Amino acid sequence: DVKVTQSSRYLVKRTGEKVFLECVQDMDHENMFWYRQDPGLGLRLIYFSYDVKMKEKGDIPEGYSVSREKKERFSLILESASTNQTSMYLCASTHQGADTEAFFGQGTRLTVV
Amino acid sequence: DAKTTQPTSMDCAEGRAANLPCNHSTISGNEYVYWYRQIHSQGPQYIIHGLKNNETNEMASLIITEDRKSSTLILPHATLRDTAVYYCIVRSYTGGFKTIFGAGTRLFVKA
Repeated sequence: DVKVTQSSRYLVKRTGEKVFLECVQDMDHENMFWYRQDPGLGLRLIYFSYDVKMKEKGDIPEGYSVSREKKERFSLILESASTNQTSMYLCASTHQGADTEAFFGQGTRLTVV
Repeated sequence: DAKTTQPTSMDCAEGRAANLPCNHSTISGNEYVYWYRQIHSQGPQYIIHGLKNNETNEMASLIITEDRKSSTLILPHATLRDTAVYYCIVRSYTGGFKTIFGAGTRLFVKA
């Protein structure tokens, strides 16, 4: 069974903390993505990566960075967490190309207090 | 990537067909239309995709207009478990690739 696994289902962090959200896929996918989801706003793309050590900004990259040191792992980093980063974070992966479906992780609900 | 427009919400009676429309008037020739759905508290789940021909699988049918500016997802016999948010997206390969989601359509299937 294909798998995209996010390291935590629920996370509570304090304002100003550095936060790491980890995502691992076992499908040898080239592309990986981080989204955040907020009520009424759908899924918004934060960053994506189409190869190891490659990254591209999505629509809302401010306040976030990413790391892709290995093909199977894509990390989202909140350098200094703020309360407006409280959200559901979703990781996804696909093979390269336009004709391939995306697989999503179960999501991490992050609360910054 | 082309943007999509979907109705905010729709109702459907259980056992009837649910027809979910999507406009993607700025779609370009190499962009595929994808549909995903998200049931509360879960990650989005792939349903179906197509380029220009109509497609059918075990979950749904996808009808794409000849000019490709709009499409319709059809759930032939909706059940209560089909209540979810349905996202229509378009994506293309551009060396890298990004998938942009809109707000989706919240489908309520009623008994």
